[in-house]
Amino acid sequence: AQSVTQLGSHVSVSEGALVLLRCNYSSSVPPYLFWYVQYPNQGLQLLLKYTSAATLVKGINGFEAEFKKSETSFHLTKPSAHMSDAAEYFCAVTHTGANNLFFGTGTRLTVIP
Amino acid sequence: DTEVTQTPKHLVMGMTNKKSLKCEQHMGHRAMYWYKQKAKKPPELMFVYSYEKLSINESVPSRFSPECPNSSLLNLHLHALQPEDSALYLCASSQDLRGGSYEQYFGPGTRLTVT
Repeated sequence: AQSVTQLGSHVSVSEGALVLLRCNYSSSVPPYLFWYVQYPNQGLQLLLKYTSAATLVKGINGFEAEFKKSETSFHLTKPSAHMSDAAEYFCAVTHTGANNLFFGTGTRLTVIP
Repeated sequence: DTEVTQTPKHLVMGMTNKKSLKCEQHMGHRAMYWYKQKAKKPPELMFVYSYEKLSINESVPSRFSPECPNSSLLNLHLHALQPEDSALYLCASSQDLRGGSYEQYFGPGTRLTVT
């Protein structure tokens, strides 16, 4: 079985501060991991993905994530938060041969001016 | 072009109405998905089509009826819905089901309200 746990349903950061959103996964087979962002009343947009190549993955809008097998983690970071980063962020996992993505419960990021 | 389009954007329907949601992608993807998303929750998978055949039905009530007329189009027919069916309905597509690395691309969703 596969699952992801997102620690912290709400995260608040000041504008210009480091963004760190946590995701831990559980998988009995090599995972593929994704981060999606959802702005209010919109669909999900892919930020980045890990598919067993480089462990440090760079995505859009200055976000990056590092796959750490020993910690079963795939945390999302951005060096400097911008007001436009305020949104809901979902971590998701799947594996070869799977038919679906398994989503975490989401983390709402608030950016304080 | 990585766009998935959905129509309508908003839909209000009574419990006795019949309506349809539409989804379209022109990325050559062979897998398409319907999700239901309630407020402050992650998307919940409803149906998966692979090569225009229904691959997964996540025990969805029969008042939701999916249809895949061709590889670019996906419909969701709605009939006799309940107020608790009010939600954001998301369509997604991916290159193929056979490779797990294939990310899903999502449409903007249809906001459905059942009165």
